[in-house]
Amino acid sequence: DIQMTQSPSSLSASVGDRVTITCRASQSISSYLNWYQQKPGKAPKLLIYAASSLQSGVPSRFSGSGSGTDFTLTISSLQPEDFATYYCQQSYSTPPTFGQGTRLEIK
Amino acid sequence: QITLKESGPTLVKPTQTLTLTCTFSGFSLSTSGVGVGWIRQPPGKALEWLALIYWNDDKRYSPSLKSRLTITKDTSKNQVVLTMTNMDPVDTATYYCAHRVDYGDYPSQRNAFDIWGQGTMVTVSS
Repeated sequence: DIQMTQSPSSLSASVGDRVTITCRASQSISSYLNWYQQKPGKAPKLLIYAASSLQSGVPSRFSGSGSGTDFTLTISSLQPEDFATYYCQQSYSTPPTFGQGTRLEIK
Repeated sequence: QITLKESGPTLVKPTQTLTLTCTFSGFSLSTSGVGVGWIRQPPGKALEWLALIYWNDDKRYSPSLKSRLTITKDTSKNQVVLTMTNMDPVDTATYYCAHRVDYGDYPSQRNAFDIWGQGTMVTVSS
């Protein structure tokens, strides 16, 4: 299985901040990397697919980049509704695997 | 509009078999390229993929759980059923079903779970 490692595990930030979350794969996964947002008690929501493609309806302050083994999710200007846990997931091979999550908290 | 909803028992005893049903609308599992997956999340922990079934009845399972899982579909009822045998307290989790979208020709590595059900919490305890 491909292991996905996110950093940091948790992050404190303020409204308006620019935030970057990193995801590293244990082997090259080309650009087959997705990002999800999960709020407490809710199902995950797809934000970014194929490393950098914005899912329909997702605000443009979210962006993704990377290829190979290293990827980033950037939120350009944090909004109150962005405080949540974020997961990366590789779709390069079966089984699809998720990172351990990054919890984004209000400073 | 695609929606999915999970249903099943909230409490099962150790060694019992869990049966979960995902009832969906807004798409058909007889349409080429369509898939439905199951993902679980233990309390306070990360997401874990379990199984996936495609429109053509192709099935994929988590290697670590393969011996315990069975996924089936009933196209006429718009349902996908997951069974997990020999349940253990470590299987306590919220179980989600999700629509899988392929952004290229099936089978595409460029895919994601774009719509999720609300999840159903299953506790394993005697």
